[in-house]
Amino acid sequence: GQSLEQPSEVTAVEGAIVQINCTYQTSGFYGLSWYQQHDGGAPTFLSYNALDGLEETGRFSSFLSRSDSYGYLLLQELQMKDSASYFCAVRVTGGFKTIFGAGTRLFVKA
Amino acid sequence: DAGVIQSPRHEVTEMGQEVTLRCKPISGHNSLFWYRQTMMRGLELLIYFNNNVPIDDSGMPEDRFSAKMPNASFSTLKIQPSEPRDSAVYFCASSLARGGTYEQYFGPGTRLTVT
Repeated sequence: GQSLEQPSEVTAVEGAIVQINCTYQTSGFYGLSWYQQHDGGAPTFLSYNALDGLEETGRFSSFLSRSDSYGYLLLQELQMKDSASYFCAVRVTGGFKTIFGAGTRLFVKA
Repeated sequence: DAGVIQSPRHEVTEMGQEVTLRCKPISGHNSLFWYRQTMMRGLELLIYFNNNVPIDDSGMPEDRFSAKMPNASFSTLKIQPSEPRDSAVYFCASSLARGGTYEQYFGPGTRLTVT
């Protein structure tokens, strides 16, 4: 079977740092992606990690540890517009088959 | 680029009717995905195509669902007959592996309501 575990909700204040964790158990692993989805909108790509380590893109960073089947998304200098759902997703084949987690709803408070 | 285009954006139909959802991927992309999103089941991959060929349809829930990609710029997802439990947002996404990122670009979705 395939499973991705991430917290259902996280709340943080504006300007703070928040980390959203993702652990996975999948039949195959080729990479971990993160997507953001605002209410009523479509998922939009944030990052992709195929190798262990930290990838930084502006205020967002993503980390992967393949040996621990674990990754996280780090959001810094939180803004109100960061309130959204965040999904981790595992590319499970050498092609494109991707399994999504259930999503973490982030609430940013003033 | 216009991004991934889906139509219709909203569809309300009665149980038993045929529903066809349409998708135009981003020009030049060679992979296309159909997803379904509900509160209960989250975002599920239904089927994906590579170079217009269906590669994995293991997520298609049952024979009532079918998908086609007759050319690189068009795909359809058909439900016949539709049932109330098919109510969901259906997303189409496209991708072109570049620089190893495997980023998927999602369309705006079709919100389907079956009464």
